[in-house]
Amino acid sequence: AQTVTQSQPEMSVQEAETVTLSCTYDTSESDYYLFWYKQPPSRQMILVIRQEAYKQQNATENRFSVNFQKAAKSFSLKISDSQLGDAAMYFCAQTQGGSEKLVFGKGTKLTVNP
Amino acid sequence: GAGVSQSPSNKVTEKGKDVELRCDPISGHTALYWYRQSLGQGLEFLIYFQGNSAPDKSGLPSDRFSAERTGGSVSTLTIQRTQQEDSAVYLCASSQHTGSRYGYTFGSGTRLTVV
Repeated sequence: AQTVTQSQPEMSVQEAETVTLSCTYDTSESDYYLFWYKQPPSRQMILVIRQEAYKQQNATENRFSVNFQKAAKSFSLKISDSQLGDAAMYFCAQTQGGSEKLVFGKGTKLTVNP
Repeated sequence: GAGVSQSPSNKVTEKGKDVELRCDPISGHTALYWYRQSLGQGLEFLIYFQGNSAPDKSGLPSDRFSAERTGGSVSTLTIQRTQQEDSAVYLCASSQHTGSRYGYTFGSGTRLTVV
């Protein structure tokens, strides 16, 4: 079974600083997709960034970028210029080949200190 | 609607009772998913609907769980004879496209507490 591992249950960062959240995954697929979702206290999961495995270029969305290391099966999220509104749970997820499911990690709780 | 709407937002029920959770997806989204999020855990896939195709029920944890989607739009997740381990946040998501590769749009979930 495919697994997604987020090794940092909690992280904290000072406002305006940069933080990196780690994610590793396990798949035998050659074509797959990876995601980072943000879940604030409102509970709604919000898609932050998406990476296509066949693209070597790392995805970026404004202050959010990823470091995608396909050989190492690593997919970390970097948040630059952290803002108080970035405080949330962050979940890493990957597509599961042959199905419509996403497999999620257990999440990292990010605290942003003023 | 503008987003995925779930109701109720919170539900407290007694052990052994049946509950129904509702999901109203974004208009025009053909794919609909249910996930369960237990305390301190990631999201666990439950069921997937795509258009008029037979749903993928492979994630339902027991036969006490069932779901239907009427008219290709609103979906209801039913849990019969609830148990305390059913306490969780139940999240619904929809997608315009076939395939999880595009990611989903999630609702805010229903927090179910079984006492």
